[in-house]
Formats: sequence, C-alpha cells, structure tokens
Amino acid sequence: KAGVTQTPRYLIKTRGQQVTLSCSPISGHRSVSWYQQTPGQGLQFLFEYFSETQRNKGNFPGRFSGRQFSNSRSEMNVSTLELGDSALYLCASSLAGASGGTTDTQYFGPGTRLTVL
Amino acid sequence: SQKIEQNSEALNIQEGKTATLTCNYTNYSPAYLQWYRQDPGRGPVFLLLIRENEKEKRKERLKVTFDTTLKQSLFHITASQPADSATYLCALDHQAGTALIFGKGTTLSVSS
Repeated sequence: KAGVTQTPRYLIKTRGQQVTLSCSPISGHRSVSWYQQTPGQGLQFLFEYFSETQRNKGNFPGRFSGRQFSNSRSEMNVSTLELGDSALYLCASSLAGASGGTTDTQYFGPGTRLTVL
Repeated sequence: SQKIEQNSEALNIQEGKTATLTCNYTNYSPAYLQWYRQDPGRGPVFLLLIRENEKEKRKERLKVTFDTTLKQSLFHITASQPADSATYLCALDHQAGTALIFGKGTTLSVSS
C-alpha cells in the first residue's frame, strides 16, 4: 500500500507571497491532519479534515487554511507568508483520526520543507 | 497551563544499554498516549500506543509505561543499537474528539 505523499518536498518563497501544499493520504483513509514542525515549537497541530469537513483546528492565524477533496486528498494554504512560517509541514492520514475519538494510528508523510526569505 | 514535556532534548548512550525516555504532562487527562520515532528529513513513524487503563505495553525491544497518577510515560529501548538513533516523540489526545498533542521530542544517539 502506498504511503502518504506530500508535494512539493521543498519550497522557497518570499515574505508576502502565498503557498499551497498538497497531501495525498493512504488509500481508504478519510482523515487528514496537518502539522507545523519547527525546532523551537516542535510539532504543532494545524487542522484536521474528515470527509471534506474541517473537524478540528489548532491555534494558528487565519492565514493558514485548508481543504479536503472528495478523494480525501488535502491541500493547505498559507497566505501573506512571514519569516516565522519557515518550517516543515507534515500531513498525516488515518482511517478516522484522533478527532474521531478513536485510537487511530496516524501515518505521516515526509513533509514539505518551506523556507520563507 | 497545559504542557507536555519530554525529559531532555538529547540522550547519548552506548550500544547494548537500555535507553529510557520520559514524557510528562500537566493539565491533560488523556485517554491514551502514543510514541513515535522520527528520522532526519522524514515524518514521524508510529511505534506504540498505551491506553490510560494499561500500565505497560511491549513490542520487541520497546516498552512503554503509563502512570496517570504521576502523569508520566516512560519509553524504554533495551539492548539499544546505533540504528535506534533518532528523535522520539510522545503524543497524547487532548480530550476525546480532538487532535494529538506532541511533545518536542528527545533525540537519542546510540554509539557503538
């Protein structure tokens, strides 16, 4: 079974620009969660989508948004990029997700390394 | 405030020894706790899950304990090998129906 894929793997943008990252979950998984990982803050939860609906959201500004398509693929968008948005962005898929009140294992993709100059 | 802390950023041990990593949390009441391994440039990989009513869980050379009174989980790797060198993350569910909250991780280095 193919794992979680994320594109692109690396991205360099300048302040003020916007960026869209893509995540394809494992086949059959309906939950996709996004995380931001930085050396200082560690892994921080951005949001989770399940069956095209945002089910849970972390404590990030509205510049961070996402969506999920009917095939469970998900995108996240960051508008008006700031230097502090430089990070590794990880997506994870699972059958029902932690927000489903289950103990579903989350399968992470390799991440997209975003650098904002 | 709510916190999840892993005992140290880095842990260095010799091959063959047991590595013990600590995860402490405050102001959470998790139903379960998970441990993940992350290698440089890769996403975390799930290792073990332990529920609040379980005291201990084992998988091959890995052992996890969960003490809800102390609000602590210990993660042990016995007979450690250089291939065990990685960052280990603990994660818990904030409350039923929400997402996983991760600690910042402990980077384990096993020298031969």
